Amino acid sequence: SQTIHQWPATLVQPVGSPLSLECTVEGTSNPNLYWYRQAAGRGLQLLFYSVGIGQISSEVPQNLSASRPQDRQFILSSKKLLLSDSGFYLCAWSENTANYGYTFGSGTRLTVV
Amino acid sequence: GEDVEQSLFLSVREGDSSVINCTYTDSSSTYLYWYKQEPGAGLQLLTYIFSNMDMKQDQRLTVLLNKKDKHLSLRIADTQTGDSAIYFCAEIPGGSYIPTFGRGTSLIVHP
Repeated sequence: SQTIHQWPATLVQPVGSPLSLECTVEGTSNPNLYWYRQAAGRGLQLLFYSVGIGQISSEVPQNLSASRPQDRQFILSSKKLLLSDSGFYLCAWSENTANYGYTFGSGTRLTVV
Repeated sequence: GEDVEQSLFLSVREGDSSVINCTYTDSSSTYLYWYKQEPGAGLQLLTYIFSNMDMKQDQRLTVLLNKKDKHLSLRIADTQTGDSAIYFCAEIPGGSYIPTFGRGTSLIVHP
């Protein structure tokens, strides 16, 4: 069966520090991978998605970046965090067609102080 | 553009039925979904419905789709305290594989 792992679960980082969140998927190949941010208002904001190794699409310009160094690994990064980067970050995967919906990771609560 | 609307809160008594409503705008949407998010956790896919269906039932869950009005609803029968969560409606607009999510309905179940 397919599983998705996301870590860390919580993170407190100072302003200006770097960020690296990792997400891996097991039990499938060539998944579509996604990073979402959920702010206090609960809405989900799509940040990045990837349909293959090295293929990253950005939905929202910001100081975050994403990389997909391996088929089932998706990394969210920042060189210098801002206070506004605080939020709940969710990784998700889907089959190529996404017809049957996403499977989400358990999320990372990031607090920038 | 695409937009998915949901009411933000719903409060029900334990044992009653809950009905969470959603409206969407893209008439060419092929798939519509309901997700559940418990506090501090990721979203869990509850159920989905194809656009050529009117209804789908899965144990205590019933999904109704009114394509004419672009209205989707989720009915939870015999609501329990464990059903307290945020419920997200989502559609996949035609020509896309990326869903558009509503802002979520917070379901509060009280004794």
